Amino acid sequence: QVQLQESGPGLVKPSGTLSLTCVVSGGSVSNNNWWSWVRQPPGRGLEWIGEVHHSGGTSYNPSLASRVTISVDRSRDQFSLTLVSVTAADTAVYFCAKNHFYCLDVWGQGTTVTVSS
Amino acid sequence: ESVLTQSPGTLSLSPGETATLSCRASQSVSSNFLAWYQQKPGQAPRLLIYATSSRATGIPGRFSGGVSGTDFTLTISRLEPEDFAVYYCQQYDSSPPGYTFGQGTKLEIK
Repeated sequence: QVQLQESGPGLVKPSGTLSLTCVVSGGSVSNNNWWSWVRQPPGRGLEWIGEVHHSGGTSYNPSLASRVTISVDRSRDQFSLTLVSVTAADTAVYFCAKNHFYCLDVWGQGTTVTVSS
Repeated sequence: ESVLTQSPGTLSLSPGETATLSCRASQSVSSNFLAWYQQKPGQAPRLLIYATSSRATGIPGRFSGGVSGTDFTLTISRLEPEDFAVYYCQQYDSSPPGYTFGQGTKLEIK
């Protein structure tokens, strides 16, 4: 059974770069077509950030596309999120997830990222 | 861009009752593209229903999904104490490709 685990710095300075990694265990990143990142600001709803195909293809939320890069490393069975020029509005819990038939069926536990000086 | 509007914002019910949650899409959505999630405090969302009415692995039969036009519903029969949580609907858009969530419905114990 596939499991996902996010990791990365919990604190990022304003105007800095947020970088997170999601490790896939119990399976291979190449066994599933697409993998996603989703975030949830404190006390608010869910926002899809984007997705990556195991071949490297990507799709992004238009509202974040100018600042986001999602990549995959098949040799390490992981995929990553990079968000540049962050502000306090990017403070959120960030989840990685596995795509399945137009939904997200496996989720990581989430990692909290705070943007603050 | 299609927007999902969930209602009510908060639903107060007692264990044993039936909950009906609504998710209205601003544009036509394929029945294959609509899913429901449950989220408890401090936890990741959990997939309940996909393709409008298919239960995800391990989800009890008292959770069911349906649709009438652009109005999608999640019905939870015989509420159990562990069912009280926030529920989100989600749609997939094919052009441009991506996912959109509703704002959520909080199901609380009355």
